[in-house]
Amino acid sequence: DAGVTQSPTHLIKTRGQQVTLRCSPKSGHDTVSWYQQALGQGPQFIFQYYEEEERQRGNFPDRFSGHQFPNYSSELNVNALLLGDSALYLCASNRWDRDTDTQYFGPGTRLTVL
Amino acid sequence: GESVGLHLPTLSVQEGDNSIINCAYSNSASDYFIWYKQESGKGPQFIIDIRSNMDKRQGQRVTVLLNKTVKHLSLQIAATQPGDSAVYFCAENLHKGGSQGNLIFGKGTKLSVKP
Repeated sequence: DAGVTQSPTHLIKTRGQQVTLRCSPKSGHDTVSWYQQALGQGPQFIFQYYEEEERQRGNFPDRFSGHQFPNYSSELNVNALLLGDSALYLCASNRWDRDTDTQYFGPGTRLTVL
Repeated sequence: GESVGLHLPTLSVQEGDNSIINCAYSNSASDYFIWYKQESGKGPQFIIDIRSNMDKRQGQRVTVLLNKTVKHLSLQIAATQPGDSAVYFCAENLHKGGSQGNLIFGKGTKLSVKP
């Protein structure tokens, strides 16, 4: 049973650039959430996708956008990168209709902005 | 805003001893709580969860206690092993209908197990 997968593992960008991160949910899951984890901090919720729509959003600027595909996989896009965007980006998945299930996390993508 | 915090940022225990990691939450409307373990370079790994209609739940070597009166959550690890060394996060969820709402994490407690 495949768990949550993310790509790439590591990424280095410069300020002002744009980046796209990818996530495939755990088998059987249809809901994907994205989190940003700064060094030494807990993850912070960015947004959640279900049925290809953004369902909830955390306190992140519009530079952060996402997409969900019909196969439930998802992308996180960040435009006009800032140094402060350097972090571990985590994807988590669950089933929309199973609120008794917790979210399962992928290994993350380490983004470094220079 | 609402937040989840932890009483101790670091905890060092001897192998074989029991560990207790504490967490305070501030949103009395939160109805679901989860403990995650995060090893270096990895994503958070689910350990155990508990709903607000319970005050105790046991898993394999782990127990979570929930005290809604004082908004306190704890994770007990029995017979702590070197492989338990990691950062532990508690997270709360305010169920908003449909799927789970966003998870609110604390900063984490680093557990170090001495052989």
